[in-house]
Amino acid sequence: EVQLLESGGKLVHPGESLRLSCAASGVSFSSYGFGWARLAPGRGLEWVSSIGLSYDTYYADSVKGRFTISRDNSKNTLYLQMSSLRAEDTAIYYCAKIPLSGRYYDFWGQGTLVTVSS
Amino acid sequence: QSALTQPASVSGSPGQPITISCTGTNSDVGGYNYVAWYQQHPGKAPKLLIYDVNNRPSGIANRFSGSKSGNTASLTISGLQAEDEADYYCSSYSRGSTAWVFGGGTKLTVL
Repeated sequence: EVQLLESGGKLVHPGESLRLSCAASGVSFSSYGFGWARLAPGRGLEWVSSIGLSYDTYYADSVKGRFTISRDNSKNTLYLQMSSLRAEDTAIYYCAKIPLSGRYYDFWGQGTLVTVSS
Repeated sequence: QSALTQPASVSGSPGQPITISCTGTNSDVGGYNYVAWYQQHPGKAPKLLIYDVNNRPSGIANRFSGSKSGNTASLTISGLQAEDEADYYCSSYSRGSTAWVFGGGTKLTVL
């Protein structure tokens, strides 16, 4: 059974940085792409970033230049390095798996809460 | 980037069918057969319902179905059940500057 466990979310001040982690189990991590999406209070889901098998990366315009997605196949772990955080980045951040040749997320983690506030 | 357009809310009675629309552009919904639908109950992780416009993952009831016409995709639930009350999101691959885009979400209320 695929399990994705996010961690690293906490309260930070505007302008600060934070790194989220997503530990995967029950899946051949290096064989799939993964990504992040977020759910902000009172708003809908927003795609944030994805990384493919070849470490190709993609970002939403709202986070481009501030967030960096990466993966460590030796640790079965996905990361999201977030910098210059803003109040509007406050959200639950979900890690999710991309199936082979897929353009969607087929398994999701339970999420980790990031709050950006002074 | 602009989110795909979904109605904010829909409602229906148990046993009735409902349809949720998802409107995009030629650069996303209309340009690719890569539309997916997700169900999210409060406090829970999103769950994949439909992928590639009209395919159901194993374990998803066949009363959930998807379709697409032009720049608009649709999710139909035939025979509403109380447990279907949730938020529903569509997504699509996008040719734009970003790879994917989500809809704004639709809150389904079962009366």
